Amino acid sequence: NAGVMQNPRHLVRRRGQEARLRCSPMKGHSHVYWYRQLPEEGLKFMVYLQKENIIDESGMPKERFSAEFPKEGPSILRIQQVVRGDSAAYFCASSTRTSGASETQYFGPGTRLLVL
Amino acid sequence: AQKVTQAQTEISVVEKEDVTLDCVYETRDTTYYLFWYKQPPSGELVFLIRRNSFDEQNEISGRYSWNFQKSTSSFNFTITASQVVDSAVYFCALSESYNTDKLIFGTGTRLQVFP
Repeated sequence: NAGVMQNPRHLVRRRGQEARLRCSPMKGHSHVYWYRQLPEEGLKFMVYLQKENIIDESGMPKERFSAEFPKEGPSILRIQQVVRGDSAAYFCASSTRTSGASETQYFGPGTRLLVL
Repeated sequence: AQKVTQAQTEISVVEKEDVTLDCVYETRDTTYYLFWYKQPPSGELVFLIRRNSFDEQNEISGRYSWNFQKSTSSFNFTITASQVVDSAVYFCALSESYNTDKLIFGTGTRLQVFP
């Protein structure tokens, strides 16, 4: 049973370019979360999505960042016009969710974004 | 507001020592969930345990054990007879069931186990 898949594992971009990070949840999971880990820091929640819906984007920067989880295909985290401060590890997690219960989130290996 | 505090930034032990990683949380909700994750040097996040707020029983899994104390809002993690392979950053996290399940992470404790 494949776990959460993320690609690419490493991504290098120059300032002003776009970065696209992809996440395929575990089989049977319909909930996807994105987190960002800055160097030497803990993980910070960015956005929570279900298929075709953004449920909670309270952790997303107001500009340049967007996320989607289409009916078919992986979830995409998109960063436009990247700046050096965007350099971080971006983790995707997936879970099932039953009513009123926080199910375990299983994490992918992360995408390390480096902005030159 | 929800908050998780891991006061120990870094701990170093010698193999076979026992070590306890502290986690203190804040929440206004009566129903919540606590988690521990391990991040080895390779960088991935490995799930270790999930505990809901109604279950205060301590849990043991091999050399790992967890002590949940609602009275002190703590969820501490003990590794018995530590091994070099236990070297990693360990994160404690909180989520509230009424919310969107987003995890609030502590800043992590880096554990170094020396041979």
